Amino acid sequence: AQSVAQPEDQVNVAEGNPLTVKCTYSVSGNPYLFWYVQYPNRGLQFLLKYITGDNLVKGSYGFEAEFNKSQTSFHLKKPSALVSDSALYFCAVRVRFNTDKLIFGTGTRLQVFP
Amino acid sequence: DVKVTQSSRYLVKRTGEKVFLECVQDMDHENMFWYRQDPGLGLRLIYFSYDVKMKEKGDIPEGYSVSREKKERFSLILESASTNQTSMYLCASSLGARRTRIYFGEGSWLTVV
Repeated sequence: AQSVAQPEDQVNVAEGNPLTVKCTYSVSGNPYLFWYVQYPNRGLQFLLKYITGDNLVKGSYGFEAEFNKSQTSFHLKKPSALVSDSALYFCAVRVRFNTDKLIFGTGTRLQVFP
Repeated sequence: DVKVTQSSRYLVKRTGEKVFLECVQDMDHENMFWYRQDPGLGLRLIYFSYDVKMKEKGDIPEGYSVSREKKERFSLILESASTNQTSMYLCASSLGARRTRIYFGEGSWLTVV
């Protein structure tokens, strides 16, 4: 079965430190992977996606993600965290060829402390 | 910029009521989606539509139906609301070609009492 796992419910990091939010996936075929962010009482906003090509994908707000096929991972990273990065982050994977149907992980709450 | 508008942000309904959640997108997108978001469960797909009057069940369609009479509008219907349908509902749309991103509305908080 196709799935996405976010093993951490919450990640805490000090402002200015690097952050990583983890995601692993299980899909048949080549994965199309996404990261979305949700601020309080808002919908989800697109951060970045991996379709093919370079394993390091750059996205919005200084975020990037590294695709690792051997480890079936797609971890979200940022070199220097900001307090304003505090939000709920979702990893997602496309589950059917030629559609935009996604399944989402359970989400990881990122808390950046001043 | 793409805009996905959910007409009601906060609703309180009684058990057994019929509930309509409306969603409109302004970018001529082919695909539209309804997700439900619950703490610890992430987003779960209820229904999606890939064209006018075309729909497909998602992972948790029980207790829900949908309507897409016009391309820009996708409605989620709770035929007889129950307390276990208290949740945040998110509408989304996408262009329909491969490799495109999904755009989300702001969400509708539904409480069934």
